[in-house]
Amino acid sequence: SQTIHQWPATLVQPVGSPLSLECTVEGTSNPNLYWYRQAAGRGLQLLFYSIGIDQISSEVPQNLSASRPQDRQFILSSKKLLLSDSGFYLCAWKGGHTEAFFGQGTRLTVV
Amino acid sequence: GQQVMQIPQYQHVQEGEDFTTYCNSSTTLSNIQWYKQRPGGHPVFLIQLVKSGEVKKQKRLTFQFGEAKKNSSLHITATQTTDVGTYFCAGPRWGEIIFGKGTRLHILP
Repeated sequence: SQTIHQWPATLVQPVGSPLSLECTVEGTSNPNLYWYRQAAGRGLQLLFYSIGIDQISSEVPQNLSASRPQDRQFILSSKKLLLSDSGFYLCAWKGGHTEAFFGQGTRLTVV
Repeated sequence: GQQVMQIPQYQHVQEGEDFTTYCNSSTTLSNIQWYKQRPGGHPVFLIQLVKSGEVKKQKRLTFQFGEAKKNSSLHITATQTTDVGTYFCAGPRWGEIIFGKGTRLHILP
């Protein structure tokens, strides 16, 4: 069966520090991968999605970037975090016309 | 670009009352999906509707897809405390999944 791993679960980082969140999927190949951000009590904002290795589409220009070095690995990064980067980051995968499966999420607080 | 709008943003109901959330897309959708996110959790898939006018039921939950495939609704009959959470509709756009802003359901005891 397919599983998705996302870590860490919580993270507190100072302003200006770098960020790296990792997401891996098991049990499937060539999934569509997504990064979403959810501000407290708000909806899901699509940040990046990828249909294949090194194929990344960005939805919102910002100081975040994403990479997909392997088929089932999706990484969200920042060189310098801003206070406004705080939020709940969710990785998801989707295959074909099926539903999306979300990771447990990373709650990021930038201080 | 394509937008998926959802109303209401919040809904407070007494336990046992019914609840409905509505979803509207600016464009025709090939399908629509519904997800539930419990407080502190991640979104979990509930159902997918594909056909025009489709109606699906899951126990106390009834999902409808409009005839024009541009709107959808989720109706919960006789809400229970376990229904608390945020309900999202989502539509496909090329390789993306576009979510509505969600309806947060609060149950008053």
